[in-house]
This record gives sequence, C-alpha cells and structure tokens, in this order.
Amino acid sequence: RKEVEQDPGPFNVPEGATVAFNCTYSNSASQSFFWYRQDCRKEPKLLMSVYSSGNEDGRFTAQLNRASQYISLLIRDSKLSDSATYLCVVNERNFNKFYFGSGTKLNVKP
Amino acid sequence: ETGVTQTPRHLVMGMTNKKSLKCEQHLGHNAMYWYKQSAKKPLELMFVYNFKEQTENNSVPSRFSPECPNSSHLFLHLHTLQPEDSALYLCASSPGGAVEETQYFGPGTRLLVL
Repeated sequence: RKEVEQDPGPFNVPEGATVAFNCTYSNSASQSFFWYRQDCRKEPKLLMSVYSSGNEDGRFTAQLNRASQYISLLIRDSKLSDSATYLCVVNERNFNKFYFGSGTKLNVKP
Repeated sequence: ETGVTQTPRHLVMGMTNKKSLKCEQHLGHNAMYWYKQSAKKPLELMFVYNFKEQTENNSVPSRFSPECPNSSHLFLHLHTLQPEDSALYLCASSPGGAVEETQYFGPGTRLLVL
C-alpha cells in the first residue's frame, strides 16, 4: 500500500474555474502535511503547509481531515500559471521522513 | 533562487564510470536529503542526514554512496550504475528538529546511464 495516494489526473479546467484535489495517507501517526508544486522538469516548491484548522493563502485553500486521513487543496479562479503537478507530502516528523504522492497534474486552458 | 544548489545539472555516464553529485545549501539548515524521481513515479527518499549523521538509508543499493562532510554539503557518489538508475536526483534541506519541517529543494541533477 502506498504511503500517500493521489489521483494523477490530468485535470483539464478553463481559466477561472475552481478545482479541488484530494490526497489520502496511510500512516495515522503522520505529523505534518504539505502541498508542493512541481513545474515540468523543475524541482518541487512548497505551495503551503496544511493545518488541522484549515488554512488559506489567496486563491488556495488547504484542509486536513485526520479522522479520514485525507488532505485537500482547493484552487479558486484558476490561472494559466497554475498549470503544474501538485504533490501531496506527509511527514513523520520524528524521523525526518517525507512521503510524496505521485502528484496530480493540472492543466488550465484559456 | 540559490538556497540549495546542485552540480552538475546534467550528467551522462557509462555503467563502468564513477561520478559524484554535489549539493550545497546556504540556508543554515541541519538536515539534508537525497531523493530519486523517475518518470511517472513519486519522489523516492534515498538518504537523510541530520547534523551530519546519516539517519535514514531507504534500502538504497550500495552503488549509491552518500557523504555529508558538514551540514552545508552533501554528496552522492555513483559507481557501476545501471540504466534503470537514470532519473532526476534531487537534494533537499530542512531546518532539522523544528516542529514544522519544510523542505527546500535544489534544481536536481538529471542523470542518464548508458
């Protein structure tokens, strides 16, 4: 069983659309949660951390549901520049182990 | 951005060659990581160093040999690699010991083994 599972997509959406990604994790002892963004042939870059209370950063909203062991990312008013692969990352803090999902690809079309 | 740098950016090597990948971080972090990213696969954690001590070896074949001389530098020594080792090798660093461990990645070395 994979530690972190994501729908690979691609999600093809028009500009201005709202799109949501989910991610599930298997280890209930996981401590920290993140969304990273990876552009084609580039390194992953932190998009936002995910907190139990949910958090928002501009057009991006992240939610964590510990009981069901899933994390979500909502992108509102999609821009062409949002086209990328979004990686869900889970950390077992005590061991510095980060588990990455295989990513969800988003294509925002004009 | 120059927080985490990696050299070389691209590398082509034969199966009998020996080469080394270098990573340097300028963020004052204490933890450094090597990851492998193959096409269509999630990032695979290879090695973790905390305060220069190796704390994780994720069942990596011995043809990959890490070295961490100090908290700012991390090397990955390669020898007798196989074609299936061709991938993007990413280095990352994080503060080490913090409550929220955010990783920062270098640009990666794209390796092709012939």
